[in-house]
Amino acid sequence: NAGVMQNPRHLVRRRGQEARLRCSPMKGHSHVYWYRQLPEEGLKFMVYLQKENIIDESGMPKERFSAEFPKEGPSILRIQQVVRGDSAAYFCASSVGMNTEAFFGQGTRLTVV
Amino acid sequence: GENVEQHPSTLSVQEGDSAVIKCTYSDSASNYFPWYKQELGKGPQLIIDIRSNVGEKKDQRIAVTLNKTAKHFSLHITETQPEDSAVYFCAAPPEGGGGADGLTFGKGTHLIIQP
Repeated sequence: NAGVMQNPRHLVRRRGQEARLRCSPMKGHSHVYWYRQLPEEGLKFMVYLQKENIIDESGMPKERFSAEFPKEGPSILRIQQVVRGDSAAYFCASSVGMNTEAFFGQGTRLTVV
Repeated sequence: GENVEQHPSTLSVQEGDSAVIKCTYSDSASNYFPWYKQELGKGPQLIIDIRSNVGEKKDQRIAVTLNKTAKHFSLHITETQPEDSAVYFCAAPPEGGGGADGLTFGKGTHLIIQP
């Protein structure tokens, strides 16, 4: 059973470009969470999704950031018009359902130049 | 929202000794407390978790204790080994949540095992 798969592992974007980060949850998991980690800091919650639904996006910046988890395919975190401050590691986690443990992927390290 | 404080930020112990990392949380309704281990360049790995209906849980050399009255929980690692060197994070769910939705993480403890 493969773990949570994220790609790409590393992504370099110029200021103003778009970044698309993908996350395939563990088999049988229908709940996906995105977190952001700045250097030397803990993880900050961004958004929680189930298939085709955003459950909680209280940690997501109001502008430029969006997330989806379609019926088919991976969850996507999209950052439009990236700025240097968006440089961070973005982690996806998945779980079977509410009130169950979450397992993290290896992350996508975004660098904005 | 939930506030999680973690101490210490850095912990250095001799190989074979025990290590203890402590966290406090603010929301008395929270009832799920996971611990994650993160090695350099990798994602957080769930190592142990505890729910509020128990006060202690063990898994080989790792244990977690929970004091709901005082709102704190601790990670205990015994007989430490070099491969235990990593950053450890505690976490708690928001506003009485019992699962992993929208966890608030501590700032992490860098555990260094001295040979």
